[in-house]
Amino acid sequence: DTGVSQNPRHKITKRGQNVTFRCDPISEHNRLYWYRQTLGQGPEFLTYFQNEAQLEKSRLLSDRFSAERPKGSFSTLEIQRTEQGDSAMYLCASSLGTGQGVDFGPGTRLTVT
Amino acid sequence: GDSVTQMEGPVTLSEEAFLTINCTYTATGYPSLFWYVQYPGEGLQLLLKATKADDKGSNKGFEATYRKETTSFHLEKGSVQVSDSAVYFCALGIPTGANSKLTFGKGITLSVRP
Repeated sequence: DTGVSQNPRHKITKRGQNVTFRCDPISEHNRLYWYRQTLGQGPEFLTYFQNEAQLEKSRLLSDRFSAERPKGSFSTLEIQRTEQGDSAMYLCASSLGTGQGVDFGPGTRLTVT
Repeated sequence: GDSVTQMEGPVTLSEEAFLTINCTYTATGYPSLFWYVQYPGEGLQLLLKATKADDKGSNKGFEATYRKETTSFHLEKGSVQVSDSAVYFCALGIPTGANSKLTFGKGITLSVRP
């Protein structure tokens, strides 16, 4: 069990550029989540996949954000036309079922200059 | 909506001191409750959980009891160590909900002095 992995770990980009992050969940987990964490705050839910289906998106996920999980395995989160307010840690998590908690990856820290 | 409130931090204790970190919640259903910990430079890790009222979660000397009557899930440890220095997050999830997403509190930083 290698855990949840995320790439890249750090990303610095200029305002207006597009960025894409990748998450590889634990292999047998069918549920995958994206969260965003800013300094001094707890993680905030962004979106959720069960297998390849995106079943819920938070209001935090503006139309500049898009997430995919094409084959029900890895997932990507893309941010278009980045803004300084997008600077945060983007966390991916996965789980097998409900009520058991989730396993988090190490996160991708995005800095928009 | 669902929410979690944690006591304000940071908290600084001497080694072997008793620790209590308060957590209260508001939920429309019957949540499962969790404590996650984030050590310096590392990702979030599940510390302990409780899935129904009066359950006690425990791990690494930490304990928390699911109190439905006070909607609380306070974290306690009898004797903290320097290695317990970390950020602690309380969270809830609705297991019968469509996605079982977690709602987190703001977190509290614990520093333990030798």
